[in-house]
Amino acid sequence: AQSVTQLDSQVPVFEEAPVELRCNYSSSVSVYLFWYVQYPNQGLQLLLKYLSGSTLVKGINGFEAEFNKSQTSFHLRKPSVHISDTAEYFCAVSGAINSGYALNFGKGTSLLVTP
Amino acid sequence: EADIYQTPRYLVIGTGKKITLECSQTMGHDKMYWYQQDPGMELHLIHYSYGVNSTEKGDLSSESTVSRIRTEHFPLTLESARPSHTSQYLCASSDPASHYNEQFFGPGTRLTVL
Repeated sequence: AQSVTQLDSQVPVFEEAPVELRCNYSSSVSVYLFWYVQYPNQGLQLLLKYLSGSTLVKGINGFEAEFNKSQTSFHLRKPSVHISDTAEYFCAVSGAINSGYALNFGKGTSLLVTP
Repeated sequence: EADIYQTPRYLVIGTGKKITLECSQTMGHDKMYWYQQDPGMELHLIHYSYGVNSTEKGDLSSESTVSRIRTEHFPLTLESARPSHTSQYLCASSDPASHYNEQFFGPGTRLTVL
């Protein structure tokens, strides 16, 4: 079964510092990987996705992620964070046919950016 | 831009009440989903639908029910709400032509049962 593990539940970082949010996946088939962001009291917004091809994926708001098949990882990075990046970040993998290909999510990483 | 709507955004009700959480999308997507999200936890799939007249239960056991009479509408109903149902409920949809299943989410309904 496809699953993801987000290795950090909380990541505090200062404004303008770089950040990496870690995600490992487990899958026996080809994977489609996603990062979503959730701001307080809102739904999830897609940041970026890996389907195939280039292992470096660029998304919105200056975020990027690198797909690493040998390490089964899909870490999210941003070179310089802003206060407005404070949010919950979810890594997800596309699931199996018996769940309608619903996404399987990690538990989320809370990014807190302080001045 | 994704157009998927959920109402109400917030709901506080007493135990035993019947409630329906509304979800509508204007993208013509066939696949729709309901997730339950508790604080600090991952999203759990509770229901999904492939299209009109199709409903399936998800990974997380839920006392809720869903219906899909129209493509754009996927309401979730709790016949008798209990405090254990307190949670955030997120609705999502995806285009079946997208085989990798990118999903678009509504803003969520935060339910509190007293």
